Amino acid sequence: TQLLEQSPQFLSIQEGENLTVYCNSSSVFSSLQWYRQEPGEGPVLLVTVVTGGEVKKLKRLTFQFGDARKDSSLHITAAQPGDTGLYLCAGLKSGGSNYKLTFGKGTLLTVNP
Amino acid sequence: SAVISQKPSRDICQRGTSLTIQCQVDSQVTMMFWYRQQPGQSLTLIATANQGSEATYESGFVIDKFPISRPNLTFSTLTVSNMSPEDSSIYLCSGGQLYGYTFGSGTRLTVV
Repeated sequence: TQLLEQSPQFLSIQEGENLTVYCNSSSVFSSLQWYRQEPGEGPVLLVTVVTGGEVKKLKRLTFQFGDARKDSSLHITAAQPGDTGLYLCAGLKSGGSNYKLTFGKGTLLTVNP
Repeated sequence: SAVISQKPSRDICQRGTSLTIQCQVDSQVTMMFWYRQQPGQSLTLIATANQGSEATYESGFVIDKFPISRPNLTFSTLTVSNMSPEDSSIYLCSGGQLYGYTFGSGTRLTVV
């Protein structure tokens, strides 16, 4: 059972278009993190959202954490070829002194010039 | 944020042999983890590397197959033991604090 459902799994768009990636779960997370990964590299942290309803902006990227802290979305405005990559959401659960980051299946984004 | 150096970056190994992957962090980090990833797909957590004690393994992963060491707060190793072609994958270490983790560049392992 996938703890985090991420959609869409694949997305191919033209430069200048907008897009939204969704990350949904039935579980509550302490925080939700978004990463971007390029081929041959490890994932790079884009943002961490902690508070229910929180919205964070990173240039053309807007991240939102659901009020119940179970879901999140990533919206990219006017996508550029440099945005191409694998986008991963990851939920953090804590249990005492232990923390575990669980990843969604990822969204492979291709932005065509 | 911390910087993680992971090596080797890739290797081709014979079945039945073992490979040890090393991760060095440039600063002390509370948590370190080991993941496995098929190209273009998500990450599966293998284990949490605990400093000074045995690693905590996820379901489907066992210590005999994936022994992990973490002698201090900046270094960890993962060994893939008695390899088979099914172990071919990308192995990634990560470390950091509560609200953000850094990843190594990964080790692309091919078992022939």
